[in-house]
Amino acid sequence: SQTIHQWPATLVQPVGSPLSLECTVEGTSNPNLYWYRQAAGRGLQLLFYSVGIGQISSEVPQNLSASRPQDRQFILSSKKLLLSDSGFYLCAWRGTGEQYFGPGTRLTVT
Amino acid sequence: EDQVTQSPEALRLQEGESSSLNCSYTVSGLRGLFWYRQDPGKGPEFLFTLYSAGEEKEKERLKATLTKKESFLHITAPKPEDSATYLCAVLGSGDNFNKFYFGSGTKLNVKP
Repeated sequence: SQTIHQWPATLVQPVGSPLSLECTVEGTSNPNLYWYRQAAGRGLQLLFYSVGIGQISSEVPQNLSASRPQDRQFILSSKKLLLSDSGFYLCAWRGTGEQYFGPGTRLTVT
Repeated sequence: EDQVTQSPEALRLQEGESSSLNCSYTVSGLRGLFWYRQDPGKGPEFLFTLYSAGEEKEKERLKATLTKKESFLHITAPKPEDSATYLCAVLGSGDNFNKFYFGSGTKLNVKP
């Protein structure tokens, strides 16, 4: 069966510090992978998606970046965090049609 | 433009009081409508996929239905453990065929 992992679960970082969030998927190959951000009480904002190794499509963020160095690994990064980067970050992979989500990372930028 | 709107934003029910959540969508050529349940502090949990008007899916006290413009999530005789935020999403069309468009969710609170 397929499993998706995200770490860390929670993170508190100062403004201007770097960020690296990691997501890995087990039990499937060449999945479509996604990064979302969810503000408190809000819906999901698509940040990046990837259909294969090295292929990244960017949706919105200007100080965030994503990379896919391996088939089942998806990394979200920032060189300098902003206060507005605080939120709940979710990684997801796409099955036959639907998506499956990881447990999420709660990021607080102080 | 591909878009999903959910209503109401919040719903409070008494245990056993049945109701429905609405998901209106705009997409050119529906390739899937998805329902998720999200508990506080957790990732969304997949519930159902619907592909064509008239289709229905059931799971315990939940039943999802689909028309050409909207989907309903019917909750029959809800229990407090059904309290959660319910999200609806569609797959995009055209150049957006790999993207999912989510509504902002309906927060359901079922009181004993």
